[in-house]
Amino acid sequence: GAGVSQTPSNKVTEKGKYVELRCDPISGHTALYWYRQSLGQGPEFLIYFQGTGAADDSGLPNDRFFAVRPEGSVSTLKIQRTERGDSAVYLCASSSEGTEQYFGPGTRLTVT
Amino acid sequence: DAKTTQPPSMDCAEGRAANLPCNHSTISGNEYVYWYRQIHSQGPQYIIHGLKNNETNEMASLIITEDRKSSTLILPHATLRDTAVYYCTAGRKGAQKLVFGQGTRLTINP
Repeated sequence: GAGVSQTPSNKVTEKGKYVELRCDPISGHTALYWYRQSLGQGPEFLIYFQGTGAADDSGLPNDRFFAVRPEGSVSTLKIQRTERGDSAVYLCASSSEGTEQYFGPGTRLTVT
Repeated sequence: DAKTTQPPSMDCAEGRAANLPCNHSTISGNEYVYWYRQIHSQGPQYIIHGLKNNETNEMASLIITEDRKSSTLILPHATLRDTAVYYCTAGRKGAQKLVFGQGTRLTINP
């Protein structure tokens, strides 16, 4: 079956620009997670949705980061005024409640 | 969430069993141990999880010590495709987030 998909696979943007990263979870999965991964590090939690609502956004580093999941399926991670330090791979995962998380391939964001 | 500690790297010969250790001495009674792996340039892949009993699936076996302070992931017949970074993490079932350390970089050698 179809897994978690993320678009774009790669995004290059200039410092100060706005970017949107999209995640399509596995159909029927109620939970959706965003992580980011810097080179040589493990994934770092950003935010978790249960349905349409953000149940835990404690990992968002600052108010330039925002995520939505308006219909409880697709989610968009939005980054305003990007900085070079935002460069990383952004990973999305989904799960049925109480089960393991399934990850997408990630979006590699490069801020120049 | 319990903190986990893993060796940074390990090597194993192809065809042999790979045994990856993880310490989770602060794990609480309702926290499960989860293992994921990440092959280069891909997202993490779920392998197995357990609470206190040993578990086995088509990918691996998980051995959890009786005091639950450590566990070992066993890949019984490692292949070159098992070369990856392996992450051990702990959390309540249905936990809202996974806390990843730096994992163990496992290299399977021909």
